[in-house]
Amino acid sequence: SQTIHQWPATLVQPVGSPLSLECTVEGTSNPNLYWYRQAAGRGLQLLFYSVGIGQISSEVPQNLSASRPQDRQFILSSKKLLLSDSGFYLCALNLGTSGSNEQFFGPGTRLTVL
Amino acid sequence: KQEVTQIPAALSVPEGENLVLNCSFTDSAIYNLQWFRQDPGKGLTSLLLIQSSQREQTSGRLNASLDKSSGRSTLYIAASQPGDSATYLCAPTGNQFYFGTGTSLTVIP
Repeated sequence: SQTIHQWPATLVQPVGSPLSLECTVEGTSNPNLYWYRQAAGRGLQLLFYSVGIGQISSEVPQNLSASRPQDRQFILSSKKLLLSDSGFYLCALNLGTSGSNEQFFGPGTRLTVL
Repeated sequence: KQEVTQIPAALSVPEGENLVLNCSFTDSAIYNLQWFRQDPGKGLTSLLLIQSSQREQTSGRLNASLDKSSGRSTLYIAASQPGDSATYLCAPTGNQFYFGTGTSLTVIP
């Protein structure tokens, strides 16, 4: 079965600093990959999704970007963090209709921007 | 855009009670609906997946039902235990994934 790893688990960064969060997947190939943000007291907000290497769709315009350099690697980046970027970032995958479209989540990265 | 509402937002029950969590959604054009559990500071754990052609799914003490035409799903938890304390989220899935804000459940020993 598939496993999702996220690194780092927690991160404290100053405003204006760059960001790189990594998500790697094991146990499957060619998954659809997603980045979500969960702010305190709020629901999950879909940020980006990718159906394949180099293919990124953005759901919310902001100072974040995503890249998928390899089939099982999904990276969330920022050149300059804002206070409002604080939150819990979750990577998720699904295998599409061949996998009943079930979604699986990683353990998350807690980002605090000071 | 899909709007997902979960009621109640928070629930506190004594151990052993049976309980129902509700999820409603506005767009019935979904492929499936998934129920998740989230413990504080953790990722989401998939509990049940109901395909759009199904009416319900069961796993242990959990039973989820789906009425796609009316845009409703319920999660029934039988004989609740303190270990069931968590936030429960529903996610109706069409071309995109949308999530409710969840029901925070506390089961009191």
